[in-house]
Amino acid sequence: EMQLVESGGGLVQPGGSLRLSCAASGFTFSGYTMNWVRQAPGKGLEWISSISPYSGPIYYADSVKGRFSISRDNTESSVFLQVNSLRAEDTAVYSCARGRGYFSSGTYNMDVWGTGTTVTVSS
Amino acid sequence: QSVLTQPPSVSAAPGQKVTISCSGSSSNTGNNFVSWYQQLPGTAPKLLIYDNEKRPSGIPDRFSGSKSGTSATLDITGLQTGDEADYYCGAWDSSLSAYVFGTGTKVTVL
Repeated sequence: EMQLVESGGGLVQPGGSLRLSCAASGFTFSGYTMNWVRQAPGKGLEWISSISPYSGPIYYADSVKGRFSISRDNTESSVFLQVNSLRAEDTAVYSCARGRGYFSSGTYNMDVWGTGTTVTVSS
Repeated sequence: QSVLTQPPSVSAAPGQKVTISCSGSSSNTGNNFVSWYQQLPGTAPKLLIYDNEKRPSGIPDRFSGSKSGTSATLDITGLQTGDEADYYCGAWDSSLSAYVFGTGTKVTVL
C-alpha cells in the first residue's frame, strides 16, 4: 500500500523554525516528484513546493520563497521541508503529496497524499 | 491566493447532478491539464480527475471532467450523501512556475 506519513510539526514562536519530514512507502520513491501542500484552518489548499526525483528542478510558491527549503533523500524515501522565519499566517496543516506527470508538458497532478502535520505559529 | 476561481458552494438533492466550474487563464487551465481533488471532512485530499477528464482507478464514472478554453468543469451525477465534501481544481501555471489550486467548492447534498 502506498503511504506518506508526515512528522515534525508543532507549536513555534514567530520567527522560529521547524523541519518537517515525510516518509514514503509502497512505491519507488526515487521515480517521483514530491510536493508539499498546506491548508490553513478553515481555508483551501495551497501548494508550497515541489522537488523533482533527483532534486532538480525545485519550485516554491512566492509566499514562502526565501524562507522555506525543500529537500529529499532517496535512500531514505523521505522528503523534507525546512521552514524558517515563521509567521502567524504559516499556521496550517502541512501535507506531502506524490506528483505524477511533467511540468514541462503541463500534465501534472498529485495522486497520493499524506494526512499532514500541524504547524502552529504563535507567541 | 488562489488564481483559479470556483463557486463557494453548490447543492442538490440525492440522485441529482451538480456542476462545479473552475476558471483560470491561459497560463494555467488554458494551456495545461486540469485535475480535480475531493476532500472529505477531516481527511486528506484525493485525486478524482486528472488530465481534464481521466479518472484514476477506483473512481466511479459518476464523476466526470471536461475543459473548454480556460474553464474546466466537474460534474457529479447520481449525487450521494457520501459525496458531501470540498472539491478543488488544480493545474500547473507555466508563468508562475507553480502549481495552483482553485478556491474550493463545498458540495452539499440536500
